[in-house]
Formats: sequence, C-alpha cells, structure tokens
Amino acid sequence: DAGITQSPRHKVTETGTPVTLRCHQTENHRYMYWYRQDPGHGLRLIHYSYGVKDTDKGEVSDGYSVSRSKTEDFLLTLESATSSQTSVYFCAIMGLATDTQYFGPGTRLTVL
Amino acid sequence: SQQGEEDPQALSIQEGENATMNCSYKTSINNLQWYRQNSGRGLVHLILIRSNEREKHSGRLRVTLDTSKKSSSLLITASRAADTASYFCATHFNDYKLSFGAGTTVTVRA
Repeated sequence: DAGITQSPRHKVTETGTPVTLRCHQTENHRYMYWYRQDPGHGLRLIHYSYGVKDTDKGEVSDGYSVSRSKTEDFLLTLESATSSQTSVYFCAIMGLATDTQYFGPGTRLTVL
Repeated sequence: SQQGEEDPQALSIQEGENATMNCSYKTSINNLQWYRQNSGRGLVHLILIRSNEREKHSGRLRVTLDTSKKSSSLLITASRAADTASYFCATHFNDYKLSFGAGTTVTVRA
C-alpha cells in the first residue's frame, strides 16, 4: 500500500464520542487526503492537506476536522460522532511528480 | 458533487471474455484515471490518460478518451477471476484533487 498505514483499522464507537483516525506515510509526499466510501457514492473527499499545517475542505467536510503537524501524519477527527458517519475511511497521498493517488488500507468505523 | 459517472453499475462476465465499462464526466479535465478496488482493500491506480491522448494500453487494459463527448472507456481483455473487483474512474482538474465516480462492480465467473 505504497507506505501508507491507517489506524485503527476497525473501530466501533457510540454516538456523541470523539474519534480520531490516523494516517501515516513514509513516502514524504506533500499532498494527503481523507475520503469516505459509502455504497452507491464512491469516494467522497472530506479534507485534504497540501503541506504541514496547510489543509482545506472537501465536498463532505461538515462534522470533520483535520490536522497535520508533521509531513508524515494526517489526522481526521470526528468531534462528536453521529450514525451518519458510519463509513469506511481511506487516506491517500499524491506526490508532485505524479497526478496519481496511493491509498491506505482503510478504516471501518461504526457509530452506534 | 461527483464529476465522473461509471456505467454500468455492475457487470458479470465469463472468464476469458472482455469487460467494458464507461465513464462520463461534466467539465474539462487535465487527465482521467482508472482505479481498481478489491473487496475490503484500498484503491489501486491502474492507468492514466491525459486530455491530449485518445488511447492508452497497459497489459490487458485499454483505455480510450473522447474529450468531445466527455467520456472514457476501460476495456479489460481476456478476463480472469482475479479481475473481480470494483473499478472507478477519477477526473483530475487544475488542482491536486481527484473526483471519483461511484464505480462499476465486475464479477468474473469461472
């Protein structure tokens, strides 16, 4: 998976609790992304980062925040999880020399 | 909103047959990419075709791009059981974001 890890890989949590997902890369790529994947919707961009401390919103950013304090780590936080945030979350990276993205293995999140 | 839309949503073929899926998009692009996702895994990049290219090959994959119709097709020749997966097109504009379609699920029967 191109030097990308995600943790945890599976999580079950209660509505209203905070949740943080971690994406870690060993490729030193500048661009990092968080997507969610739901049946019938493909991948939808939540947030992305174009450098340390530089982030921007995607198309489904409500209820999510991100942080990137180091090149290798990109964190996704659900401040107060809701059942609508039950999904599979993928992290991806993209280097400057290529327009293609490389994906992590995903995190399956269930909010009860 | 999603830029690319794949057609069909699902496809079932016999091993050895060819599989064709299509992608339509709405606005001008820099390039269009195809990704594969095996069940429970992350997406894997297959092939990229730039806006000034019309056809590209990679092994058993053939991709075409028609910018006048804003459409692309992915052909997998001589399919194998290992080709069973979901296939997504992704369009790239002028920034560093991709827009993914909802995907085509391909099942290859032995």
